[in-house]
Amino acid sequence: QKEVEQNSGPLSVPEGAIASLNCTYSDRGSQSFFWYRQYSGKSPELIMFIYSNGDKEDGRFTAQLNKASQYVSLLIRDSQPSDSATYLCAVRLSGGSYIPTFGRGTSLIVHP
Amino acid sequence: DTAVSQTPKYLVTQMGNDKSIKCEQNLGHDTMYWYKQDSKKFLKIMFSYNNKELIINETVPNRFSPKSPDKAHLNLHINSLELGDSAVYFCASSHLNPRYRFSVWNTEAFFGQGTRLTVV
Repeated sequence: QKEVEQNSGPLSVPEGAIASLNCTYSDRGSQSFFWYRQYSGKSPELIMFIYSNGDKEDGRFTAQLNKASQYVSLLIRDSQPSDSATYLCAVRLSGGSYIPTFGRGTSLIVHP
Repeated sequence: DTAVSQTPKYLVTQMGNDKSIKCEQNLGHDTMYWYKQDSKKFLKIMFSYNNKELIINETVPNRFSPKSPDKAHLNLHINSLELGDSAVYFCASSHLNPRYRFSVWNTEAFFGQGTRLTVV
């Protein structure tokens, strides 16, 4: 059973649009949720983390968490070509090692 | 100054060889990790050490042996390399202690630049 699922994409959006990235998880007891950005050939870097239901905003990024529906999303407003990367969702599951489990990532392409 | 550094960045070797990847962090973190990322970008935890003590050992072949001489270093040694070992290996560190369910993985989780291992 896949524990953290993401659409691999690619998701293609025009510059200036809102990019919406989604992630679902299977463990209802999960507590912590993270979005990482990974440029091609580079290491993952943390963009945002969220623990509570609702929205969390940081600049052009908004993370949304809905524990009842078991999904977490990342919205990128005013998308820029420099946002083109793979976005990895990670969930800290309630059982096992408590190490965040990663999804396979969604490739985002922002075209001018 | 690099926070989490891995060496080498690229490693090409033949099947059956033994190789090591080194990792060092200067962030003062207590916990370090090894992740494997396959060609489809799937990032999977392999090992975790807290204060030189192995605390997480996922389903990884015995050919992979981590070594932590101190809490700032976590090296990965791989024996009898196989074609399927080809991947990018990332070292990471954080203040998180995975033993404690309610400890927080926050913005202090850092990844090294990765080691691209190619087995031919």
